[in-house]
Amino acid sequence: QVQLVESGGGLVKPGGSLRLSCAASGFTFSDHYMAWIRQASGKGLEWLSHIGSRGSPIYYVDSVKGRFTISRDNAQNSVFLQMTGLRAEDTAVYYCARGRKGAALPSWDSWGQGTLVSVSS
Amino acid sequence: DIVMTQSPLSLAVTPGEPASISCRSSQSLLYSNGYYYLDWYLQKPGQTPQLLIYLGSRRASGVPDRFSGSGSGTDFTLKISIVEAEDVGVYYCMQALQPPQTFGQGTKLEIK
Repeated sequence: QVQLVESGGGLVKPGGSLRLSCAASGFTFSDHYMAWIRQASGKGLEWLSHIGSRGSPIYYVDSVKGRFTISRDNAQNSVFLQMTGLRAEDTAVYYCARGRKGAALPSWDSWGQGTLVSVSS
Repeated sequence: DIVMTQSPLSLAVTPGEPASISCRSSQSLLYSNGYYYLDWYLQKPGQTPQLLIYLGSRRASGVPDRFSGSGSGTDFTLKISIVEAEDVGVYYCMQALQPPQTFGQGTKLEIK
């Protein structure tokens, strides 16, 4: 069955960095776009970035552009989110999500359980 | 960016009754292939979001047929023909037409 397992979250000071990882299994990873989507406590969903099945195209929401970098390793069935310049408002649960197979304008049909990122001094 | 607006933001429904949620986008979600790039997701309490509807009206795998999506242009609707207790949670619409993908504020469905 499809599994997406995020890791790498934690407590970090403002201005700090974290690297999130998402390990995928149960499907052909290289057939799917992948995304990072976050949710602050008690708030709605915010799409952050997605990456094409072979590493492009890549898109970001403006609020993280220049600070966050998405990447993937198809040999390791993993997608990553490198986060720098973290701010208090980046505090949220970060989900990785799988795009529908073959869709270049993807819907997200499987989600991980999320990893919590807390930015505080 | 495309702005997504849902209404109502909350609703309470008696089991066995229908429910309807509206989603409006700030620009048309019609792509050149003739499809509307509008999704519906449900986040049940304590769970991660799940895809219910994609391309405006197509049910995702395993989604009961009491859920249906419709609409065109900038106006879309999610209907639940017969609400069950397990349908509680927050429903989000999302436009997948152009990055940044954007979600509506969410609609909280409760059972009376």
